[in-house]
Amino acid sequence: AQKITQTQPGMFVQEKEAVTLDCTYDTSDQSYGLFWYKQPSSGEMIFLIYQGSYDEQNATEGRYSLNFQKARKSANLVISASQLGDSAMYFCAMRGGAGGYQKVTFGTGTKLQVIP
Amino acid sequence: DTEVTQTPKHLVMGMTNKKSLKCEQHMGHRAMYWYKQKAKKPPELMFVYSYEKLSINESVPSRFSPECPNSSLLNLHLHALQPEDSALYLCASSGIRAGVGTGELFFGEGSRLTVL
Repeated sequence: AQKITQTQPGMFVQEKEAVTLDCTYDTSDQSYGLFWYKQPSSGEMIFLIYQGSYDEQNATEGRYSLNFQKARKSANLVISASQLGDSAMYFCAMRGGAGGYQKVTFGTGTKLQVIP
Repeated sequence: DTEVTQTPKHLVMGMTNKKSLKCEQHMGHRAMYWYKQKAKKPPELMFVYSYEKLSINESVPSRFSPECPNSSLLNLHLHALQPEDSALYLCASSGIRAGVGTGELFFGEGSRLTVL
């Protein structure tokens, strides 16, 4: 079964600094997709960034970039120039792999707190 | 504004009640999902519908009964729930197959359920 691991339950970062949130995954399949979602205290799930397993370049979306290291099975999220509004839970997720395309599994999450 | 609409936003029910959660999307997505999320935990997949047919059931107790009456609507019927079923229930939709877009999940704002 596919597995997503986020080893950092909580992280602190100073405002305007960059922060890296770790994510590793386990699958024997060649075709899969990796996502990062942000969940503020309001509860909504906000899509941040996507990386396909065949994408050769790391994905970027504004202040978000995904450091994809396929051989190491890691997909770390980098947030540059942190803002107070970035304080939230962050989930790494994977689509595909052994569960099939329709299955999307989430990691345990990292709670990020941005300090003024 | 989210493109996936869930109602009600909050629901309180007794263990003998029958209630339903509703989800609607008009993005033309043919895959729809129910997730359950307990506090400080990741979303856990419950059901997936593909082309209005149930394609994934993650061994969910029968007191949860999903229904997909058409391509835009997804219901979750609740009956004889237990207090431990209290959680945030998230509906999501996505494209149906690899190679079409990123396959990201579009989430509703969730229905927060309390079982007394």
